[in-house]
Amino acid sequence: RKEVEQDPGPFNVPEGATVAFNCTYSNSASQSFFWYRQDCRKEPKLLMSVYSSGNEDGRFTAQLNRASQYISLLIRDSKLSDSATYLCAVYGSGNTGKLIFGQGTTLQVKP
Amino acid sequence: NAGVTQTPKFRILKIGQSMTLQCTQDMNHNYMYWYRQDPGMGLKLIYYSVGAGITDKGEVPNGYNVSRSTTEDFPLRLELAAPSQTSVYFCASSSRQNTEAFFGQGTRLTVV
Repeated sequence: RKEVEQDPGPFNVPEGATVAFNCTYSNSASQSFFWYRQDCRKEPKLLMSVYSSGNEDGRFTAQLNRASQYISLLIRDSKLSDSATYLCAVYGSGNTGKLIFGQGTTLQVKP
Repeated sequence: NAGVTQTPKFRILKIGQSMTLQCTQDMNHNYMYWYRQDPGMGLKLIYYSVGAGITDKGEVPNGYNVSRSTTEDFPLRLELAAPSQTSVYFCASSSRQNTEAFFGQGTRLTVV
């Protein structure tokens, strides 16, 4: 089983739609979680951190479900500019420094 | 503020050649990472380091070597390049465990 898994999509949605992505992780001792955005052929950039209590930033909401070992990203009122690949990232337990990324989920927002 | 700098940006290698991908960061980060990204895929961890003199294997270390003699630099060495190593390579750094990782712009490597 992969350490971090995502549905690669693509997710094709119309402007204004709400879309959600999930990311599962296998190590129950994983400590911290992130969502990154990657535009075509560019470097990934942090979108938001995922806190135990959830995290909201404008149209974006990230949540953590430790019991089921997954994190989610909800995008409301999708914009054309949201079209990108969304990568989840998970730090391992302890202070190993190991940072693993998922395969990425591709979102295409259509007019 | 340069952040994470990778050189070169593009490179074509012949099968069997060797090369070093350079990565340097000016944020005094302890943690550094090398990832590869194949078309349509996510980032696969090659090697990482939590400080000078310390390196660990990631998910796909075969065919690569690293060293970390200073906090700033984390070069990735490819020995005997193979077509399977054609990929985009990203270097990243973070200040410590559980913090945001910052990425370089990537090196696009083609092995022919």
